[in-house]
Amino acid sequence: GAVVSQHPSRVICKSGTSVKIECRSLDFQATTMFWYRQFPKQSLMLMATSNEGSKATYEQGVEKDKFLINHASLTLSTLTVTSAHPEDSSFYICSAGVGGGLGTDTQYFGPGTRLTVL
Amino acid sequence: AQKITQTQPGMFVQEKEAVTLDCTYDTSDPSYGLFWYKQPSSGEMIFLIYQGSYDQQNATEGRYSLNFQKARKSANLVISASQLGDSAMYFCAMSLRESSQGNLIFGKGTKLSVKP
Repeated sequence: GAVVSQHPSRVICKSGTSVKIECRSLDFQATTMFWYRQFPKQSLMLMATSNEGSKATYEQGVEKDKFLINHASLTLSTLTVTSAHPEDSSFYICSAGVGGGLGTDTQYFGPGTRLTVL
Repeated sequence: AQKITQTQPGMFVQEKEAVTLDCTYDTSDPSYGLFWYKQPSSGEMIFLIYQGSYDQQNATEGRYSLNFQKARKSANLVISASQLGDSAMYFCAMSLRESSQGNLIFGKGTKLSVKP
């Protein structure tokens, strides 16, 4: 299957700092990548859809100025949590669709990034 | 509104036995995809199986099979011959073809524990 990587896998930072998370599709090109957030013992919630070469589409209630998304190439999307606060502590997971991002194409997930804000 | 419902927060199964994890969905769109993912304690989401809304036959992938009942809007996952390594969270998810973005809607998950 397709491989998606995330870096870093775990990050601890002080309140007020910014953290960048990278999501890469290693063996395929992804015009669309997705960013999810998962709180402990809860399901994944879509934060935003990252489109190569254009602005990301954010879900309702997600602050686009706080969670900056850049999809610079067909294999890389980044999520930057700006001025992080303890309530931003969570598990962030990216995924990439194989086949152009249409509705029923399989998505492959990265291993996730666990963010802890002190 | 689209919705995925997993009514079993936790399930236990004896090793080598089969187990069914329930999933029902709600959508008015005629074209959609249904997915099952496994999430071990390490956190990564592992794709297991996919069923398209127009697929005539139930999907199968090794020990995994999807019991797709379109009229009932259910897409239960059946794991045969359970192994200790199957212990994990299992998420049912749906994606809509009408959505060009293809994002997934997840259920709340079922925690499966396999007993030796």
